[in-house]
Amino acid sequence: DAKTTQPPSMDCAEGRAANLPCNHSTISGNEYVYWYRQIHSQGPQYIIHGLKNNETNEMASLIITEDRKSSTLILPHATLRDTAVYYCIVRAPYNNNDMRFGAGTRLTVKP
Amino acid sequence: EAGVAQSPRYKIIEKRQSVAFWCNPISGHATLYWYQQILGQGPKLLIQFQNNGVVDDSQLPKDRFSAERLKGVDSTLKIQPAKLEDSAVYLCASSLSKTQYFGPGTRLLVL
Repeated sequence: DAKTTQPPSMDCAEGRAANLPCNHSTISGNEYVYWYRQIHSQGPQYIIHGLKNNETNEMASLIITEDRKSSTLILPHATLRDTAVYYCIVRAPYNNNDMRFGAGTRLTVKP
Repeated sequence: EAGVAQSPRYKIIEKRQSVAFWCNPISGHATLYWYQQILGQGPKLLIQFQNNGVVDDSQLPKDRFSAERLKGVDSTLKIQPAKLEDSAVYLCASSLSKTQYFGPGTRLLVL
């Protein structure tokens, strides 16, 4: 079973920030938080990952709470092409096969 | 850098027939994974290879599914005989260290 809880769906207006929450209350000290997304008819695409500090790359920002029990993926200026299912996954870095996908959040960006 | 390649992209077969899927990972990636994704669900790991050895095949239905990775590069996943419930997208992923990169998947429909 996935170790994370995400809302099943969210909407966002084009050009606005999309904030996708994820609860991982049972996360262990050495487990990372990973985010992937899956656009229709494509394979999952890596977005970002972090341990406890906030992270930012060209695609998104990841905000992890101080107690590490939840996180938020932020797409700063959502476009229609960001419409996808977003998966939050927690896993230990040495356990490369422990990628347990839940049902994810279906984000719909609307014009 | 070329991504993970998979073929065919689509396959329709009748139940009890056999089918095979092919995957070519990103060059230099030692670890290769096969996932099954049923409609509306997240991907589920079937088997993981490290070079040409199996690391984890605990979720592979071995009575009908088989996979091999000859020479530690390309891999094939076979289903024989197929059942209706095998209708899904079969995803191949590869990794060098922690991050997995996915191919576009093969969509299988069993009639």
